[in-house]
Formats: sequence, structure tokens, C-alpha cells
Amino acid sequence: ETGVTQSPTHLIKTRGQQVTLRCSSQSGHNTVSWYQQALGQGPQFIFQYYREEENGRGNFPPRFSGLQFPNYSSELNVNALELDDSALYLCASSVRGVNEKLFFGSGTQLSVL
Amino acid sequence: DQQVKQNSPSLSVQEGRISILNCDYTNSMFDYFLWYKKYPAEGPTFLISISSIKDKNEDGRFTVFLNKSAKHLSLHIVPSQPGDSAVYFCAASAIITGNQFYFGTGTSLTVIP
Repeated sequence: ETGVTQSPTHLIKTRGQQVTLRCSSQSGHNTVSWYQQALGQGPQFIFQYYREEENGRGNFPPRFSGLQFPNYSSELNVNALELDDSALYLCASSVRGVNEKLFFGSGTQLSVL
Repeated sequence: DQQVKQNSPSLSVQEGRISILNCDYTNSMFDYFLWYKKYPAEGPTFLISISSIKDKNEDGRFTVFLNKSAKHLSLHIVPSQPGDSAVYFCAASAIITGNQFYFGTGTSLTVIP
């Protein structure tokens, strides 16, 4: 069984640039969620994708967008990067239903200079 | 507004003793709770969950207790082992929010051999 994989593991960008992060979900999972973890904080929900549609969104501006593909993999896109976007971005996959359990990847560490 | 709080940033325990990690929440609609463990450079790993219809759930050395009236849950690890040293996050969700989990800021547990 393949777990959740994310790429790249580390990324350095400058303010104003755009970035795309990628995630492959765990085998058998149909839902992908993205979380942002700033230093010293817990993960914060960005959004979730189910059946290739956004299915819930946290308190993040529209410059954070995503995609889910037919194979359930997903992308997180961030436009017009700001310094505060520097964080660990975590992807989690799950099986849609009551009492879901999230299974996380190792994350992408994004630094915005 | 932090709806899930872990007020102890760190905890040190001797090997073989009990570790108790605490978590408080403010939203009375939360009805499903999870604990995750996170090692450096890895994503959070699911440990144990509990739904609001229960007040206790056990899995091996790990037990989670839920006190709904106090809006408080705790994770007990008995006996503690050096490999348990990690950051522990509690997370909560509600059926009405369905897909969004709210995480605490984490407690760093050190088990001293």
C-alpha cells in the first residue's frame, strides 16, 4: 500500500512569485485535504477536494487554489506569494465518510524570501 | 480564534511512567476528535480517535478520555517509551463542518530513558 507522497520536499521562492505543490493520495483514498502549518502552530485547514471539486475551504484567500485529478492526486497553487506564506504545507488523504481519518504526507517546506 | 488548545507546549516523563497530554476545545459542536504524533521531517501520524458518543477509547498503550461537559480530552500513554518522544497534536471536527479539522498547537513530549 502506497502512502501519501508530496513533492517537492523543500522550495524557496521570492515574494510575488507563484508556486505549485503536488500530492499523491494513499491507495484507495478518494479525498485530499491541504493544511498549512506555520512555525510553532498546528496545521490549519486550507481546503478539501472530493470528486475533483472543492468541498470545503478554510480562511484562506482566493490566491490559494487547488485541483484534484481523476486518479485522486492533487495540486495546491499559491499565487502572488507573501512572506507569511512561508510554512510547511501538508497534504492528507482520506476516504470520504463519517469520522474520517486523515493520513498525512511528509509535507513541503516553503520559504518565501 | 483558536478553537482547539493545547496549553502545555512541552512535557518530560521518565521511561515507564505515564504521559498525560491535555487538550481543550471551545466549540460545543465538535463531536469527533483525533490525536496525531509528529516526528521531525515527517507528516503527522494518526494515533487514536474518539467520537462524542464515547468517553474513553483504548488502543494498546494509548487511551483517550473525553469529558464533553468540560470540553476537555486527554491522551494517556502507559508505559511511556523513548520512541514516544514526538510532538502530539489533538484535532477536532463537527458533522456540520464535516471535512475541516481544527488542530491544537501541539505538545512536545520527551521520554527520558
